[in-house]
Amino acid sequence: EVQLLESGGGLVQPGGSLRLSCGASGFSFSSYAMSWVRQAPGKGLEWVSAISNSGNSYHVDSVKGRFTISRDNSENTLYLQMNSLRAEDTAVYYCAKGSCPSAGCYRFDSWGQGTLVTVSS
Amino acid sequence: DIQVTQSPSSLSASVGDRVTISCRASQSIGSYLNWYQHKPGKAPKLLIYAASNLQSGVPSRFSGSGSGTDFTLTISSLLPEDVTTYYCQQTYSTPPTFGQGTKVEI
Repeated sequence: EVQLLESGGGLVQPGGSLRLSCGASGFSFSSYAMSWVRQAPGKGLEWVSAISNSGNSYHVDSVKGRFTISRDNSENTLYLQMNSLRAEDTAVYYCAKGSCPSAGCYRFDSWGQGTLVTVSS
Repeated sequence: DIQVTQSPSSLSASVGDRVTISCRASQSIGSYLNWYQHKPGKAPKLLIYAASNLQSGVPSRFSGSGSGTDFTLTISSLLPEDVTTYYCQQTYSTPPTFGQGTKVEI
């Protein structure tokens, strides 16, 4: 059974940094693209970042230059380094498994339960 | 970016009703359209991929149709456990974008 477990969320001040992690099990992590998707309070889903199985990555324009997605295939772990955080980054962040290896693989066939990031002073 | 618009934003139906949710893309996206179910506090769940393909393990009362710019998710006979929010998602181009969601109530 595929399992994705996010961690690292919390309360951070505007301008601060946070690193999210997503531990994966139940599948060959190194063979699939992974993404981060967020949901702001009372809003819908928004894709944030994706990374291929080999490390190529994409980010939505609103986080480019501030967020970095990475992965450690030896540890079956996905990361999202978030810098220069803004109030509008407040959301539940989900990691999601793509159904194929390439970074542009956006069919998300498994998701974690999310971790809450709150940006507030 | 490709915009994806769902309608209605919410609906109320009875157990056993046939429910349809629409999704319209701002440009043609072929069949690059997925549907997800998202219950509060839970992981979103893929229901339909490539417009009309049922994801493994998803009940057959769920179905999808459409191509180009207009798509539909149908629940053939609504059950109480289907009460939640549904999202469409285009995967034709980066960034992949979601509709704003449709909340289904009984």
